[in-house]
Amino acid sequence: DAGITQSPRHKVTETGTPVTLRCHQTENHRYMYWYRQDPGHGLRLIHYSYGVKDTDKGEVSDGYSVSRSKTEDFLLTLESATSSQTSVYFCAIRVTSAGELFFGEGSRLTVL
Amino acid sequence: AQRVTQPEKLLSVFKGAPVELKCNYSYSGSPELFWYVQYSRQRLQLLLRHISRESIKGFTADLNKGETSFHLKKPFAQEEDSAMYYCALPYNQGGKLIFGQGTELSVKP
Repeated sequence: DAGITQSPRHKVTETGTPVTLRCHQTENHRYMYWYRQDPGHGLRLIHYSYGVKDTDKGEVSDGYSVSRSKTEDFLLTLESATSSQTSVYFCAIRVTSAGELFFGEGSRLTVL
Repeated sequence: AQRVTQPEKLLSVFKGAPVELKCNYSYSGSPELFWYVQYSRQRLQLLLRHISRESIKGFTADLNKGETSFHLKKPFAQEEDSAMYYCALPYNQGGKLIFGQGTELSVKP
């Protein structure tokens, strides 16, 4: 199985504070993704990366930025957290050319 | 535009009853479709991929290009099947997957 870990797994923060979520993979997969999961919306893509320093926006990228300085790490940053960003965030890696994704265990973020 | 629609937010059945979770898509070309499952507060896991035409945990899904559907079926539901189910479709470019809104399956004893 592909190895992928997310940190922190749980975080409570206040509106206006910066937050960074980390996704770390132990294999050399090129594509990495950040999704958010919300009731009634399913999973929505925030940003994705197709290589070191190569990133692009997804469908709900406003208020988020990402960085990928190493193959194994993909960081998601909320520059100034808002209550609407309270969600569960999932990182994923693409493990087949057909598009199959392997997901991390999720990071639950609460913005008060 | 590519789109995945799961019309049911919640599907509740009794143990032993047949289950069908609906998925409709819009896509130009031959789609590679997936079903993912998420058990309570766990990571999403791949359940089925269209291309392999396999059966996992008794679930099957057939691609119907005429109806643009990829419904997930199981003849006899079990309580352990209770979970969130997501249908997913790759974008044309970028190796991205788009997901439906998800259907929560509840199997009652």
